[in-house]
Amino acid sequence: GAVVSQHPSRVICKSGTSVKIECRSLDFQATTMFWYRQFPKQSLMLMATSNEGSKATYEQGVEKDKFLINHASLTLSTLTVTSAHPEDSSFYICSARTPGLVQETQYFGPGTRLLVL
Amino acid sequence: GQQVMQIPQYQHVQEGEDFTTYCNSSTTLSNIQWYKQRPGGHPVFLIQLVKSGEVKKQKRLTFQFGEAKKNSSLHITATQTTDVGTYFCAGRTSNTGKLIFGQGTTLQVKP
Repeated sequence: GAVVSQHPSRVICKSGTSVKIECRSLDFQATTMFWYRQFPKQSLMLMATSNEGSKATYEQGVEKDKFLINHASLTLSTLTVTSAHPEDSSFYICSARTPGLVQETQYFGPGTRLLVL
Repeated sequence: GQQVMQIPQYQHVQEGEDFTTYCNSSTTLSNIQWYKQRPGGHPVFLIQLVKSGEVKKQKRLTFQFGEAKKNSSLHITATQTTDVGTYFCAGRTSNTGKLIFGQGTTLQVKP
């Protein structure tokens, strides 16, 4: 199946700093990428939908100025957590949707574990 | 808004017993997907169901999509310790195109 990578896999940062997470589709072009957040023992919560070349669409309750999303190319989307605080510590997972298929499938990246001290 | 409910939240079974998790959507779905997440890992796509009443099998796993396209189930026959993990259903509605995840069912298998 399609491969999606994420970098870094794990990051620890100080409160108040910004962290950038990259999501790449390695063997296909993804016009749409999604960013999810998963707290321990909870489900995946969709944060935003990222479309190449346009502004991301954020879900209700997600601050767009805090979680900056850039989808500059068909294979790369980035999520920047600005001025991170301990409550932002979570597992951030991106996924990319395979385009042009009747039965679309989303492929997930391996996730990034963020710990804010 | 659209909700996808999944039960049970946890299930402990003895190895060899069967296991079923159920998923219900508040709205009609265009398709439903199932994922498995091992502890410390990320969700891995298992299958997608599109047609009303569809049934698909993968070895010991049987997936069903309801006639009304609002519910689905995953049944594992004769569980093994390798089946341990959290199983998520995720439904997509045709109007939004978003994939909304259920809360997941965490399966523990005692050897």
